[in-house]
Amino acid sequence: EIVLTQSPGTLSLSPGERVTLSCRASQSVSNNYLAWYQHKRGQTPRLLISGASIRAPGIPDRFSGSGSGTDFTLTISRLQPEDFVVYYCHQYGNSPWTFGQGTRVDIK
Amino acid sequence: QVQLVQSGAEVKKPGSSVKVSCKAAAGTFRSYVMSWVRQAPGQGLEWMGGVTPMLGTTNYGQKFQGRVTITADESTRTAYMELRRLTSDDTAVYYCTRSVVVVVYGGYQYHAMDAWGQGTSVIVSS
Repeated sequence: EIVLTQSPGTLSLSPGERVTLSCRASQSVSNNYLAWYQHKRGQTPRLLISGASIRAPGIPDRFSGSGSGTDFTLTISRLQPEDFVVYYCHQYGNSPWTFGQGTRVDIK
Repeated sequence: QVQLVQSGAEVKKPGSSVKVSCKAAAGTFRSYVMSWVRQAPGQGLEWMGGVTPMLGTTNYGQKFQGRVTITADESTRTAYMELRRLTSDDTAVYYCTRSVVVVVYGGYQYHAMDAWGQGTSVIVSS
């Protein structure tokens, strides 16, 4: 199965800053079927990006995804207070599907 | 967005089994991939497996192979996840999710999981 490694594990940043989260796959993700989810405590995960770079409906344009093959990134251009939560990458191109271990974005 | 409604919380003994259900309120159930994802306390998300009624296929995560069975009943638009030989490590919130699969020329196009059930708490304790 494909192992997704997210880095860093935790980030401490201030509102308004730009952040780039990394997700590296142990082998190429078919069709670049790579998604990013935002998970707030007590809520269900929220789809941000699919197909590596396609924003889900209703997602603010400060969220963007890029990458292909084995290296993918999620960028948040200007952190808002509600963005300080956990983010997961997920590949659905190869069976079995897998998640990364998550990156937590904390307020500095 | 399709609504997924899961069955209620469970408390189980070690060594027993649990079966959780997930009903899709609307949409073309046959073209969904119904997956199960869990999150143990303080841990990340784990994809356990999924079933695709249109293709008649079921896939499981390596960690759960042999211990989990995922099924779908198209007549009731309900997916099920049964996990056997429970241990305390299986204490978690279990989510069902929906992805859409579309038939395209030459194969299938999968979409990411875009709808989630409300979660079912399963506690394994003696």
